[in-house]
Amino acid sequence: AQSVTQLGSHVSVSEGALVLLRCNYSSSVPPYLFWYVQYPNQGLQLLLKYTSAATLVKGINGFEAEFKKSETSFHLTKPSAHMSDAAEYFCAVGGTGGGNKLTFGTGTQLKVEL
Amino acid sequence: DAGITQSPRHKVTETGTPVTLRCHQTENHRYMYWYRQDPGHGLRLIHYSYGVKDTDKGEVSDGYSVSRSKTEDFLLTLESATSSQTSVYFCAITKGADTDTQYFGPGTRLTVL
Repeated sequence: AQSVTQLGSHVSVSEGALVLLRCNYSSSVPPYLFWYVQYPNQGLQLLLKYTSAATLVKGINGFEAEFKKSETSFHLTKPSAHMSDAAEYFCAVGGTGGGNKLTFGTGTQLKVEL
Repeated sequence: DAGITQSPRHKVTETGTPVTLRCHQTENHRYMYWYRQDPGHGLRLIHYSYGVKDTDKGEVSDGYSVSRSKTEDFLLTLESATSSQTSVYFCAITKGADTDTQYFGPGTRLTVL
């Protein structure tokens, strides 16, 4: 069985500050891990994914995430927050192979303040 | 743009009525999924399909059925809608050989009164 825990349903940062969104996972198989972003009234957009090729994954819009097997974590970071980063972020875990079913975390709403 | 359209985008219906939501893709991708999104729950898988007439249940399939008679269309049916099915419904696909990454449609907001 797979599960994802996102710590903090709401995170607030100042513009220019570091963004850190936390994700811990549980999986019985080597996982595929994803971060998605959702802007208001839109669908989910893929930010980045981990597929075991490299532990540090770079995504779009300056975001990156590091896979740490020992901590079962896949935290999302961005060095400097921008107002346009305000959105809801979802971490998801999936197994390998076709028909991959994803299990999502409950989401973290990021607020960026001036 | 994931190349997915969902219809309708918004619907209000009454308890006990049947409702069908449509997901349409134009590139003949094999895998398609239906999720529901609710506050505090993230997204939860309802049903998925791995080909024409090949479907399977997800985590929250009770009260829902699906059909896929053509590659491009994946239909989600609520046989008798209940207020607990008020939600935002998202369709997702995988593309080509990358069957691990899902791409999402714009969603359908369904309200059951």
